[in-house]
Order: sequence, then structure tokens, then C-alpha cells
Amino acid sequence: ETGVTQTPRHLVMGMTNKKSLKCEQHLGHNAMYWYKQSAKKPLELMFVYNFKEQTENNSVPSRFSPECPNSSHLFLHLHTLQPEDSALYLCASSQGGQGSEAFFGQGTRLTVV
Amino acid sequence: EDQVTQSPEALRLQEGESSSLNCSYTVSGLRGLFWYRQDPGKGPEFLFTLYSAGEEKEKERLKATLTKKESFLHITAPKPEDSATYLCAVRDDYNQGGKLIFGQGTELSVKP
Repeated sequence: ETGVTQTPRHLVMGMTNKKSLKCEQHLGHNAMYWYKQSAKKPLELMFVYNFKEQTENNSVPSRFSPECPNSSHLFLHLHTLQPEDSALYLCASSQGGQGSEAFFGQGTRLTVV
Repeated sequence: EDQVTQSPEALRLQEGESSSLNCSYTVSGLRGLFWYRQDPGKGPEFLFTLYSAGEEKEKERLKATLTKKESFLHITAPKPEDSATYLCAVRDDYNQGGKLIFGQGTELSVKP
């Protein structure tokens, strides 16, 4: 298996639920990212991890909690979400800085009811 | 503050009708400009990286060019399968982690 894999592809959750999104990359990259994509808006960076260390939190509400146990895996733990959090959540990886391109997974379509 | 603006927001072409998409950027220290293609409900697919003014990259019917302030994605004789949203992003490595900053995209529709 190659590239960036995200699971699940679709998720419907209630506002009181707790769920997790999973991302795995098979590219040997050392940086991983979570992005949020809402309709008609640019991709919005949420978190950046470099060598398992969080290097950026783009003022994301605490109901989103990232976890990066190693350079190949990234999780996004969700709890007490709001309907406006419904969006496509995208994971990406890259070789880090110095202009390297990022490769994206297929995303998780999240609906909060 | 770094900014990326894409135009037009939407573009409708007839099959075979060539055109260009624009990406204007303002960044303190460009470390790469990236073009992606995104189909509905899927993640962005990497197309090109450009690093310096004057650089050009080509792939099938697509050609990307870069100046000091903008990039163009030229589409020559497009086909219906080229229909997608095209995203432009820049990387500024003065920020930790080298995050990508995206424009809002251009939605391209090519009719047969």
C-alpha cells in the first residue's frame, strides 16, 4: 500500500459523541498535517507535526485533539463537536520544509448532527 | 500576512477551448508554489511544484508558469476529464513546519 490513507471515509456523529480520525502515510515523510475543507472556502490548516512534535496549532478549538505517535501515523480525536464542524478533513504528509510538496489522503467526510 | 488569490472562481470551457487559470500570491519568502487538482469528495492530487520566476512545468495538457507575483496554469485543448477544482498553494519556510497556504481554488468545467 502506498501514499496517504485516511479512515474512515465517511463519519456521522452526534454532538455528544467521541470519535477519532486516522491517517497513515507510507511515503517515509517526516511531517504530517491536518486540514479542514469547508464548502467554498480555502483549505484551512489545523495542525502540523514534524518528527512527531507538534509545530503548529492554528488556533483550533480544544474539541479537536491531535495525536502523532510516530512519523507514519496521525490521529484527530473529536469530542462534543458542533454542526458547523461538518466538513471534509484532510490529512497530508511531506518531507518537511525546504519546498517539498505535500501529498494528501482522500479525506474523511464528517457530518455532525 | 501571506495570501493566495485564485481567479476566476469558476471557468466553463468547451472541449478544445484553451484557457488559463491565475494564482496571485503575497509571501515573505517563497519556498515553492504548488498546483493541485481536486475531484469532488476526494483529496487534492499533486500536479506541479515551481520554485523560481521563469520556471515552467508541463504534464499532458497542463503547463504551469511562475513569475515573482503570480502563477498561471495553462490548459491546452481541454477534455471533459480535465473538469475539477484546481488549487494553488505556497510554502513559506520562515514559518515552522513549512505549512502550505492555499487559495480558494478555480472550479473548471469542460463540456463536450
